[in-house]
Parts: sequence; C-alpha cells; structure tokens
Amino acid sequence: SAVISQKPSRDICQRGTSLTIQCQVDSQVTMMFWYRQQPGQSLTLIATANQGSEATYESGFVIDKFPISRPNLTFSTLTVSNMSPEDSSIYLCSVDSRRGEKLFFGSGTQLSVL
Amino acid sequence: QQQVKQSPQSLIVQKGGISIINCAYENTAFDYFPWYQQFPGKGPALLIAIRPDVSEKKEGRFTISFNKSAKQFSLHIMDSQPGDSATYFCAAGGWETSGSRLTFGEGTQLTVNP
Repeated sequence: SAVISQKPSRDICQRGTSLTIQCQVDSQVTMMFWYRQQPGQSLTLIATANQGSEATYESGFVIDKFPISRPNLTFSTLTVSNMSPEDSSIYLCSVDSRRGEKLFFGSGTQLSVL
Repeated sequence: QQQVKQSPQSLIVQKGGISIINCAYENTAFDYFPWYQQFPGKGPALLIAIRPDVSEKKEGRFTISFNKSAKQFSLHIMDSQPGDSATYFCAAGGWETSGSRLTFGEGTQLTVNP
C-alpha cells in the first residue's frame, strides 16, 4: 500500500485566515484526492487533483474556497481559505494503489477554527 | 442514486461475539465495495473489499457478504476483540471510474466489551 504523509496533523486557526495542508506520497500516482470528514460524520470528496491540470471539484466545493496545487506526481496541497468555524473538520488526502486497490488515506489534518 | 445507507449507527458486542454491519446501495453501476476501519485521530484504513463477481470474501476474522440482487453487502467480524473497537465505513463506487469517487456510508461505531 502507499505511504501518505500529511502535514500538519492538526491546527487551530482563527476565523478569516487560511491554512495550507500538504500531502506527500512515497510513490508516483496519477490522481490524488482530498476528502473532508466533519465531526462525527462520513467522508465527502472535495476534489480530485491531477498533475499538470486543474483540480476537479465536487458539487458544493469551489476553487476559491479550496484551492489545490499538484506540482508533481508525489505531492499536493489543499488550502482552506477564509476559514469559518463551519470548516472545522478532518481533511484527508488519499490515493489509489498502483496494484489496483483503491483509495488509501493519510492520517488526516484535524482543523479547528475559532 | 448515489447514496449508500449503513446500519446500525452504533453497535456494542461482547468479546468473542460476531459483529455485523450492513450497507445498501442504489446505483447498479457500482462494482467495487470496500470497508474502512477508522480509529480516533487516524485516517480510514482499507480493511477488505469485494467485487460483484463473488458473493463472499474472507480475510482472517473479517468477511464481506455481497447480495447483488438485493444491492446489499455486509461486514462480519468473527471473534470480535476489544482492539476492533473503531468506526467502520462501507463505501461503493465504480472500479473503472477514474478518480476513485467512492460514496461512503454514514459509519458504524463499534464497541467490543472485554
């Protein structure tokens, strides 16, 4: 399985500020995915990030709020912009395994917005 | 069409008992059904997955049963242990669909009492 490192692991932020979350994978992958898990809830896909192209956002998520970078095949960032308390969630980076097994997750970034 | 319904929301079993979690899906195009295990403060970890060409898959104490006609699948944990206490998510999606756009169930919080 892929090894996914995510930074920071947790952060407490002030309303109106922005936080950039980094995701590093130990092997080259075509697609990287960002999920959100609100407190006590399930996982919701935010966007899919392909190297060399614009990220594809799911319904309800927009680039201005969640800009994503994908500079190479092992790295991606997700920025949570102009944060409000409603953005308090766990943000998870995930990839598919090269062996065809789907969707491995990093440990996540636990974000609290005051 | 995209929903995955999971039950029960919470489950308490005694050590050595059988834990059973059920999921139902709507989209007949789905052909990949994984289960994830999540411990507090960690990202979800892929536990076991099944494709519709088989009705059952077993890995150690964990078994997936799949009923294509009923559009249902379930996770059975045999000889449940306190270390199995975690939140379990079922998911469904298209194996060939680019982006691993899995739809997740709401999660089941399992507690195994010693």
